[in-house]
Amino acid sequence: EAGVAQSPRYKIIEKRQSVAFWCNPISGHATLYWYQQILGQGPKLLIQFQNNGVVDDSQLPKDRFSAERLKGVDSTLKIQPAKLEDSAVYLCAIPAGGNGYTFGSGTRLTVV
Amino acid sequence: QKEVEQNSGPLSVPEGAIASLNCTYSDRVSQSFFWYRQYSGKSPELIMSIYSNGDKEDGRFTAQLNKASQYVSLLIRDSQPSDSATYLCAVNPSPLSSGSARQLTFGSGTQLTVLP
Repeated sequence: EAGVAQSPRYKIIEKRQSVAFWCNPISGHATLYWYQQILGQGPKLLIQFQNNGVVDDSQLPKDRFSAERLKGVDSTLKIQPAKLEDSAVYLCAIPAGGNGYTFGSGTRLTVV
Repeated sequence: QKEVEQNSGPLSVPEGAIASLNCTYSDRVSQSFFWYRQYSGKSPELIMSIYSNGDKEDGRFTAQLNKASQYVSLLIRDSQPSDSATYLCAVNPSPLSSGSARQLTFGSGTQLTVLP
């Protein structure tokens, strides 16, 4: 998936532990999104950044999730403490042509 | 709550047939519509976008939009086993020129299997 690098690809943690995901929009887009995709569902928006500012975090569970975007480039998404229902793929995306997105390869989180 | 509805499937078609995937949306002001293909274990990949009523063709893919009925469809002609994937419909309510949030709302996807 050209344009967006994500790491790690996979992560397994126990419930109540903390975890962090990293996203680097290689092409340096001002806008960056984090989506959560639970198995069998479509991606759901968690947070949108414009440069290093938050545009929309209305669907982010702020009691346990946090996100930041350093210097308007890289972004990290953190979960603390994790719950079983947080098991999902976490996708980072940037705008593509015509109002669509380019997604990164995602981080698959399993909470046990 | 803005919603995008898709039949979850699975939808099975024989190789060479036409696969028809459907999507309805609840937000009448929606302006931009997208189809993404997602292979198992991979991230979504944009395959079609459509903004105006009517049909838009790209190779074997045709997207159809009817804003009055709030309905979007994707036709895949001459289906191939490599088309087997989950197809996600996504909708953006923002006007194209707004430079606004460009947030996409996704449906839950339709799983397509093309049988050799």
